[in-house]
Amino acid sequence: QVQLQESGPGLVKPSETLSLTCSVSGGSISSYFWSWIRQPPGKGLEWIGYIYYSGSTNYNPSLKSRVTISVDTSKNQFSLKVRSVTAADTAVYYCARAPTEWGQGTLVTVSS
Amino acid sequence: DIVMTQTPLSLSVTPGQPASISCKSSQSLLHSDGKTYLYWYLQRPGQSPQLLIYEVSSRFSGVPDRFSGSGSGTDFTLKISRVEAEDVGVYYCMQGIHLPNTFGQGTKLEIK
Repeated sequence: QVQLQESGPGLVKPSETLSLTCSVSGGSISSYFWSWIRQPPGKGLEWIGYIYYSGSTNYNPSLKSRVTISVDTSKNQFSLKVRSVTAADTAVYYCARAPTEWGQGTLVTVSS
Repeated sequence: DIVMTQTPLSLSVTPGQPASISCKSSQSLLHSDGKTYLYWYLQRPGQSPQLLIYEVSSRFSGVPDRFSGSGSGTDFTLKISRVEAEDVGVYYCMQGIHLPNTFGQGTKLEIK
């Protein structure tokens, strides 16, 4: 069964770039769509976007101008970058092979 | 964006009793391929969401048969035939046909 694990800094300063990586094990990343979803503390779920292993992407229009998702098939990983972050970007970030497998999530706090 | 509206937002249920959650979408979730891309998730406290039901009524691997999904078009229901203590958490519906994928607000289930 595919397992996903998020990694990256837990604290990012305002106006900087949030960078996270999702490592996929138990299966190849070279198929399926790979997604990022986030959840502000105590709130609901927001879909950020997805990437296909070939590199094609689709982003939530609400974040599209600030988000990039990329894939590295040689490392079986995909990544998320969110530029110009504010406190509103504070959330638990999940990577997923939606809709079935999700990572355990990683909390990213935006604060100086 | 497609708006997913869940009711109720909270439920308090005695163990062994049934529970039901409604999810209504602002547009039909029926795809031209004949499938309806409506999913149900359970997020237990401190955990990532886990898939319960996919395509309206199909139980995901390992999901107990006390969970069932029904509906069509824009109106969907998740039913738990006999609630158990381990069913505590927040239930989300999600639509996977229109981009961006969107989630309901969540329904918090607690045990009386």
